[in-house]
Amino acid sequence: EVQLVQSGAEVKKPGESLRISCKGSGYRFTSYWISWVRQMPGKALEWMGRIDPSDSYTNYSPSFKGHVTISADKSISTAYLQWSSLKASDTALYYCARYASGIYYFSGPWGQGTLVTVSS
Amino acid sequence: QSVLTQPPSVSGAPGQRVTISCTGSSSNIGAGYDVHWYQQLPGTAPKLLIYVNNNRPSGVPDRFSGSKSGTSASLAITGLQAEDEADYYCQSYDSSLSGYVFGAGTKVTVL
Repeated sequence: EVQLVQSGAEVKKPGESLRISCKGSGYRFTSYWISWVRQMPGKALEWMGRIDPSDSYTNYSPSFKGHVTISADKSISTAYLQWSSLKASDTALYYCARYASGIYYFSGPWGQGTLVTVSS
Repeated sequence: QSVLTQPPSVSGAPGQRVTISCTGSSSNIGAGYDVHWYQQLPGTAPKLLIYVNNNRPSGVPDRFSGSKSGTSASLAITGLQAEDEADYYCQSYDSSLSGYVFGAGTKVTVL
């Protein structure tokens, strides 16, 4: 079964760093891109950026560039989303989603989501 | 503010037909980029519902259909069922942003 399994919920303080993960299984990890999508409480989906795990090439949404870093470790089929200094406004549910290179939609599967809460 | 505009909510009685519009601009839908739709059931991750304007992935009922014209697209649900209560998002690519964009989402309520 093809699936993406994300790391568990996190509670952090403003200014702290964080890295969440998305582990792929059931397929060749390097054959599909991974995107990260943010969903703030009660709000819409927002595309953050994507990575090609085969060469770790990344693209970021202008809204998120410089605020987060996307990376991948193909040896363990895992993609990451990280922050160096969290803000309260980073509180949200974060999804990873798989899709083939050259297509412009998230064919899936999606991860189950990681809830990040940033509060003093 | 989302790049793609959707109505916040639509509703219908069981068995009825509802449509959800998705309006973009000349840098996304109007530029020829395809539109895709996702269904997000309460408390779950989004799921691809329609891809490349009017194609259904395996397992998606044919009650769901999509269309695209000019700078807009729409999703139609015929024979509305209680299980269709969810949030629906359109998505495309935007050349000026060099990235993927989503609509603000539409909540479908079955009366």
